[in-house]
Amino acid sequence: KAGVTQTPRYLIKTRGQQVTLSCSPISGHRSVSWYQQTPGQGLQFLFEYFSETQRNKGNFPGRFSGRQFSNSRSEMNVSTLELGDSALYLCASSMGSVVYEQYFGPGTRLTVT
Amino acid sequence: AQKVTQAQTEISVVEKEDVTLDCVYETRDTTYYLFWYKQPPSGELVFLIRRNSFDEQNEISGRYSWNFQKSTSSFNFTITASQVVDSAVYFCALSEGGQGAQKLVFGQGTRLTINP
Repeated sequence: KAGVTQTPRYLIKTRGQQVTLSCSPISGHRSVSWYQQTPGQGLQFLFEYFSETQRNKGNFPGRFSGRQFSNSRSEMNVSTLELGDSALYLCASSMGSVVYEQYFGPGTRLTVT
Repeated sequence: AQKVTQAQTEISVVEKEDVTLDCVYETRDTTYYLFWYKQPPSGELVFLIRRNSFDEQNEISGRYSWNFQKSTSSFNFTITASQVVDSAVYFCALSEGGQGAQKLVFGQGTRLTINP
């Protein structure tokens, strides 16, 4: 079974631009979560989608948004990029029921200059 | 609020030594889940174990073992006879029950270096 895939793997953007990251979950998984990892703040939860609906949200500004499609694939968007948005963005998928572990993708390394 | 503390920022041992990674958590929920993940240099988080708050049995998987103690709010991870391939950053994480279960709160991680 294929794992979680994320595209692109690396991205360089300029302040003020916007970016869209994509995540394809493990086949059969209906929940997709997004996390931001930085050296200073560590791993922080962004949001979770289940059956095309946002089910949980972390403490991030409205510039961070996401969506999920009917095939469970998910995208996250960051508008008006700031230098502090430079991070590794990790996507994780799970069965969707509340008791299952999350499996992570390789991440997208975003650098904002 | 939920919180996970991994007090050990870095640990360095010689191969074949046993090593224990500490994890202390805080939560007001009676139903919660605890996890350990490994992050090798490649960056991908690898799931190691999940434990729910009602199951305090310790678990052993090969050279890995986990000790869950609700009385001290700890979920420690021991690697026996460590190997160089165990070098990675290890994260302990907590999630609440119900629909919030997909929201993981991570500790700051412990960087483990196994020297040959």
